[in-house]
Amino acid sequence: GENVEQHPSTLSVQEGDSAVIKCTYSDSASNYFPWYKQELGKGPQLIIDIRSNVGEKKDQRIAVTLNKTAKHFSLHITETQPEDSAVYFCAASRAKAAGNKLTFGGGTRVLVKP
Amino acid sequence: ETGVTQTPRHLVMGMTNKKSLKCEQHLGHNAMYWYKQSAKKPLELMFVYSLEERVENNSVPSRFSPECPNSSHLFLHLHTLQPEDSALYLCASSQVGGDSPLHFGNGTRLTVT
Repeated sequence: GENVEQHPSTLSVQEGDSAVIKCTYSDSASNYFPWYKQELGKGPQLIIDIRSNVGEKKDQRIAVTLNKTAKHFSLHITETQPEDSAVYFCAASRAKAAGNKLTFGGGTRVLVKP
Repeated sequence: ETGVTQTPRHLVMGMTNKKSLKCEQHLGHNAMYWYKQSAKKPLELMFVYSLEERVENNSVPSRFSPECPNSSHLFLHLHTLQPEDSALYLCASSQVGGDSPLHFGNGTRLTVT
């Protein structure tokens, strides 16, 4: 089955700096890669996703890159703000007709210091 | 406000109790999922229902029993749990087909004493 590794496990950045989180996956047939943000006491919330036919995707201060050959993908947050402090999870799946069975990385706790 | 609602938010139960977790989605989705989130471990997929049929049981012990009576509701029935089953149980929903994003509820924090 799929295995997703995520690094680093914790990341502390100064407000306004950039944050980068990296993930690798094992199943070359995986074709869908979402990123989730989880705040204290809440469930994971989708912030951006990328599909295997695209190398990069941006949404305001957030961007994701995908390298299919190397089987890794990264989340980039620019101009970080205190409200970006949360736990971020990457995931991968080989999306099928019957459900989207995501395999998650271990999470990165991001702290943005004012 | 999430489109996926889970109740109760917190549950404490003894090892001999029987309880149920409830999930309801208001997004018009037709696939529903149970995930387990334990400290220091990645989110683990437990069950997947697609069009009200169970399509995945990820080697989950029989003391966890899911039920999906319709595409909007999902239950997780619990009986004779172990302390190591204490965790945050997350429900999610999506459209069936391809790479539809999962939308999560806020979870039920379960403590087994």
